[in-house]
Amino acid sequence: DQQVKQNSPSLSVQEGRISILNCDYTNSMFDYFLWYKKYPAEGPTFLISISSIKDKNEDGRFTVFLNKSAKHLSLHIVPSQPGDSAVYFCAASPNAGNNRKLIWGLGTSLAVNP
Amino acid sequence: DAGITQSPRHKVTETGTPVTLRCHQTENHRYMYWYRQDPGHGLRLIHYSYGVKDTDKGEVSDGYSVSRSKTEDFLLTLESATSSQTSVYFCAIHGTGSTGELFFGEGSRLTVL
Repeated sequence: DQQVKQNSPSLSVQEGRISILNCDYTNSMFDYFLWYKKYPAEGPTFLISISSIKDKNEDGRFTVFLNKSAKHLSLHIVPSQPGDSAVYFCAASPNAGNNRKLIWGLGTSLAVNP
Repeated sequence: DAGITQSPRHKVTETGTPVTLRCHQTENHRYMYWYRQDPGHGLRLIHYSYGVKDTDKGEVSDGYSVSRSKTEDFLLTLESATSSQTSVYFCAIHGTGSTGELFFGEGSRLTVL
């Protein structure tokens, strides 16, 4: 029973265009959401997070949108670059910093083509 | 970059043998975690530690034990490895600040034949 779902296993976009990665969750107790990026043979690295009191958080080319009523969040990368090619994981927690209760999605593999 | 190193990075072993994976951090962080990553399951928490000699179970702790005798080292032990424990294991530490994002090691790939 997946509480955090990333329904697209893979996504391919052209360099310079927008990449949109989606994540849905089922547990209404989740209050804090994070995106991690993972390159092959490396550990995941933190990208961006959002608290449920916000509906948008932006950091450079990366923006996360949260729609709490739909239990949906998305990560937008604009413009996409070849170096963004990686697996992106969505994760959710009942509160910020509560990593013991952090639930992860299965990941979406993004390929940015030159 | 957070100073986390995992060893060994790759290991092949036989069913029934004991295996210990080591996570070493130079950040003096209190919280450390062991995860496994498997296809179709994402990342799952095995055990975590909130201080020296203070550990607790995660979601998939059966068949694993941990020890933390020093702040910098968190050991994951498979007492008797099984094929179902073939996986990539990641150690992580809890970053400072209110968001507490995780910093991960590079992973240890374990194959149990």
